[in-house]
Amino acid sequence: DTGVSQDPRHKITKRGQNVTFRCDPISEHNRLYWYRQTLGQGPEFLTYFQNEAQLEKSRLLSDRFSAERPKGSFSTLEIQRTEQGDSAMYLCASSLIQTTGSGNTIYFGEGSWLTVV
Amino acid sequence: GDSVTQMEGPVTLSEEACLTINCTYTATGYPSLFWYVQYPGEGLQLLLKATKADDKGSNKGFEATYRKETTSFHLEKGSVQVSDSAVYFCALSTSYGKLTFGQGTILTVHP
Repeated sequence: DTGVSQDPRHKITKRGQNVTFRCDPISEHNRLYWYRQTLGQGPEFLTYFQNEAQLEKSRLLSDRFSAERPKGSFSTLEIQRTEQGDSAMYLCASSLIQTTGSGNTIYFGEGSWLTVV
Repeated sequence: GDSVTQMEGPVTLSEEACLTINCTYTATGYPSLFWYVQYPGEGLQLLLKATKADDKGSNKGFEATYRKETTSFHLEKGSVQVSDSAVYFCALSTSYGKLTFGQGTILTVHP
């Protein structure tokens, strides 16, 4: 168990450029989540996948954001035409849902810091 | 909708002092409750959790009890260490596992 890994850890980009983040969840975890965290705030939910299906998207996820999990393993989060307001840490998390209920533990990666200049 | 409110921070303590970080929540249904910790420059680590009323979660000397009657999940530790300095987040989870976080409380412990 190597934990949730994210790449890159840090990204500086110019406004208007596209960026892509990758997340590798814990092996065999069937749920994968993306969150965004700005300085001084708690993480905010963006979207989640059950296997390869994207089941919910937050209204925070504008049309410039797209997430995929094509084979139910790793996931990518792409931001097109970045804006300065996109500067944040993007956190990926995963969990193994075996039963119904809300008590399953969600494990987080170390995050990908995005700075848009 | 679901929401979590944490006590205003930051909190500054001397080593070996007692810690309490208040957390209250609003949720539909019966959420699970969590405390996560975030060290500088790192992601979130699960500290403890409780899945039903009156459950007590504990880990590394930290404790929190799920109080349904007061919709609270306060974090406590009897004797803090410098290494406990971090940001602490209270969170709740709905039936499909999505987490709703509080705003976080910065804890600084001085020697």
